[in-house]
Amino acid sequence: DAGVTQSPTHLIKTRGQQVTLRCSPKSGHDTVSWYQQALGQGPQFIFQYYEEEERQRGNFPDRFSGHQFPNYSSELNVNALLLGDSALYLCASSLRGDREWSGANVLTFGAGSRLTVL
Amino acid sequence: SQQGEEDPQALSIQEGENATMNCSYKTSINNLQWYRQNSGRGLVHLILIRSNEREKHSGRLRVTLDTSKKSSSLLITASRAADTASYFCATRGILWGAQKLVFGQGTRLTINP
Repeated sequence: DAGVTQSPTHLIKTRGQQVTLRCSPKSGHDTVSWYQQALGQGPQFIFQYYEEEERQRGNFPDRFSGHQFPNYSSELNVNALLLGDSALYLCASSLRGDREWSGANVLTFGAGSRLTVL
Repeated sequence: SQQGEEDPQALSIQEGENATMNCSYKTSINNLQWYRQNSGRGLVHLILIRSNEREKHSGRLRVTLDTSKKSSSLLITASRAADTASYFCATRGILWGAQKLVFGQGTRLTINP
């Protein structure tokens, strides 16, 4: 049973460029969340997708956008990269469950995509 | 912003000793979860405790929750070298629709052989 897979694992970009990160959720999961983790910090919530719609968004600018596909996989796009966007980007999947946002759902994380902006 | 604050930020103990990490949070929660992260890789879920629970056990892990103090603790007993990792508490709230986890800044645990 494959867990969450993310690609690429590492990438280097320069300021102003654009990047797309990809995520395949764990088999059986239907919800994908994206987190940004700066060095030495805890993960910060970017947004969450369910049924191909953004359900909630954290405190991130519009330069950060996403998409969820019918097969539940997801992409995170970041435009006009800044040095401060350098971080580990984590994708996490979960199953929404029978009760709407019951809150009992735990997250299964991928290994992350480490982005370095020069 | 991060709701949780963890204490200590770093902890170094000898193998076989117990490790205790604390987490405080600010707003009402649905549940609190603990995750482990090895060497900047993905996080692994350890244990979940609901807001109406006070203590929970899983193997060598013991978690307590005090909602009146808005705090939780994670105890790892009989530590092993493989327990070396960063540990994060994460809360799932009520007010913001329970659609995200808010993580603390983590405790870096080092187990010395």
